[in-house]
Amino acid sequence: DQQVKQNSPSLSVQEGRISILNCDYTNSMFDYFLWYKKYPAEGPTFLISISSIKDKNEDGRFTVFLNKSAKHLSLHIVPSQPGDSAVYFCAVHGSGNTGKLIFGQGTTLQVKP
Amino acid sequence: DAGVIQSPRHEVTEMGQEVTLRCKPISGHNSLFWYRQTMMRGLELLIYFNNNVPIDDSGMPEDRFSAKMPNASFSTLKIQPSEPRDSAVYFCASSLNPNQPQHFGDGTRLSIL
Repeated sequence: DQQVKQNSPSLSVQEGRISILNCDYTNSMFDYFLWYKKYPAEGPTFLISISSIKDKNEDGRFTVFLNKSAKHLSLHIVPSQPGDSAVYFCAVHGSGNTGKLIFGQGTTLQVKP
Repeated sequence: DAGVIQSPRHEVTEMGQEVTLRCKPISGHNSLFWYRQTMMRGLELLIYFNNNVPIDDSGMPEDRFSAKMPNASFSTLKIQPSEPRDSAVYFCASSLNPNQPQHFGDGTRLSIL
């Protein structure tokens, strides 16, 4: 029973274009959402987060959008760069104000020069 | 800034042997997390500590797994006896408190033959 789903295992975009990564979750009680980026043989690196009281958070080229009614969040990368090629994980804080993070399965992004 | 440090980076051992994975969290971080990543189940939380006290160990797969945090700068995850199905990448992460973004180490790739 996957509580966090990233339905696209992979995504390929051209350098300079927009990358959109999607994530769906099942529990409306989740209140804090994060995106991590992971390169091979390294640990995940925190990228950006959003609280459920907001619907958008922006940090440079990265923007996260939250649609609570649809239980959906997305990460936009504009413009995409070859160095952005990595696996992107969506994560949510479990309900009950615990530290537990629940991760999606990840989406592999390839940005072509 | 020193990040989360894990050792060893790679471990290959035979079934039935004891395995000990080590983690040094970022100085000043009060929460420490152990994750396991497999192809089948993705990234899943095994256990987390807050102020050196285990808070949630519901992800620990069975009694063969144990984790300790004797002080704020060191934690171990032990598997005894190890089995081939324990083969995975094990990550340690730390954060200032349970609700802050977690910072991951580069993981230990464990292979049980």
